[in-house]
Amino acid sequence: DAKTTQPPSMDCAEGRAANLPCNHSTISGNEYVYWYRQIHSQGPQYIIHGLKNNETNEMASLIITEDRKSSTLILPHATLRDTAVYYCIATGAGSYQLTFGKGTKLSVIP
Amino acid sequence: SQTIHQWPATLVQPVGSPLSLECTVEGTSNPNLYWYRQAAGRGLQLLFYSVGIGQISSEVPQNLSASRPQDRQFILSSKKLLLSDSGFYLCAWSSPANYGYTFGSGTRLTVV
Repeated sequence: DAKTTQPPSMDCAEGRAANLPCNHSTISGNEYVYWYRQIHSQGPQYIIHGLKNNETNEMASLIITEDRKSSTLILPHATLRDTAVYYCIATGAGSYQLTFGKGTKLSVIP
Repeated sequence: SQTIHQWPATLVQPVGSPLSLECTVEGTSNPNLYWYRQAAGRGLQLLFYSVGIGQISSEVPQNLSASRPQDRQFILSSKKLLLSDSGFYLCAWSSPANYGYTFGSGTRLTVV
């Protein structure tokens, strides 16, 4: 897995967009960017993943820079239930070793 | 739809006692299966993964072992627990194409 760097913590006001950055400057061409989140005392939850193009689903949007060295996860209207640790992982599609770093602790504030 | 079941939710065991945690997946066949551990205040650590019945790969040498007796069953075991085995144990599965992992609800193990 390519090394990823995320800020340790972020705050976001409820109802605002939460933009979580991730740096993966050493990502290789066949590695995807995955995002997971872990709400306290629960198992991680898959959010979204992408290779080159921007992706959107019912939970979030993923914006990947053209050089693929960084990405941003966007939660368009953050709620209190989005308070969690968010993990950015760069890994090959055939990898059996999803390595979780320390992630970003997002606190959504009322 | 696919579901993953993991039990028990919490467990308190004395040092030196055995351990058996079970995980089952429904609604899919030939999943990749994983055991992770999260110590208090720490990150997720991959312990074992399996790509098929009887095929186990260990990532961290320790007094834990894993087995996969059936396609959708993954068991984590120990013959003698240590205090350092305390933590939050998570089972997960993915398709062979590795499109996203689905995690179970976890077992919080406290060794006393």
